[in-house]
Amino acid sequence: DAEITQSPRHKITETGRQVTLACHQTWNHNNMFWYRQDLGHGLRLIHYSYGVQDTNKGEVSDGYSVSRSNTEDLPLTLESAASSQTSVYFCASSGSSYSQGYEQYFGPGTRLTVT
Amino acid sequence: AQKVTQAQTEISVVEKEDVTLDCVYETRDTTYYLFWYKQPPSGELVFLIRRNSFDEQNEISGRYSWNFQKSTSSFNFTITASQVVDSAVYFCALSEARRDDKIIFGKGTRLHILP
Repeated sequence: DAEITQSPRHKITETGRQVTLACHQTWNHNNMFWYRQDLGHGLRLIHYSYGVQDTNKGEVSDGYSVSRSNTEDLPLTLESAASSQTSVYFCASSGSSYSQGYEQYFGPGTRLTVT
Repeated sequence: AQKVTQAQTEISVVEKEDVTLDCVYETRDTTYYLFWYKQPPSGELVFLIRRNSFDEQNEISGRYSWNFQKSTSSFNFTITASQVVDSAVYFCALSEARRDDKIIFGKGTRLHILP
């Protein structure tokens, strides 16, 4: 069965460190997305990609970067972790046509704590 | 601009009661897609349904039903004979797929089913 996985599931890091969260999907979807979820803010889009070598900024992209070197993976990097980046991070993927469907399928989430 | 409003922040009902979660959306497009997602206490985001703007048929899946009304820009979700396992946060979402493949999420409604 197709799936989307994230690793690690939990991470504690110190302020100023670089952190990379992995996302891997086997849906063969062109579109991939990173969100953060915080109380009171719902889901906020960080970065997204419509295909290999394509990346775009979402509404809360400052301090984050992504790269897309293949269809399956979209790692999210926090260049210099800040306490404000403590959050739950979700990766998602979706099709890019009516036949595939535009609904996004989500990974299990990564709980990141920056101390 | 596209927007999704879930006016009910939190709802509590006693088990076996019916409950309706409201969703109102705004879009300038004539072609768009609506979604509902469930986030149970375990934290994962589960896709429930997609609806296309050109298909106003209501949908029923077991105890779940969805009422899509373009005239009022609403896409409401009803759970019949609620069960404790229905306790979760429910998100309504909108995609203007001709514009881009992003999804705009509402803030969510937290549903408590009391035994």
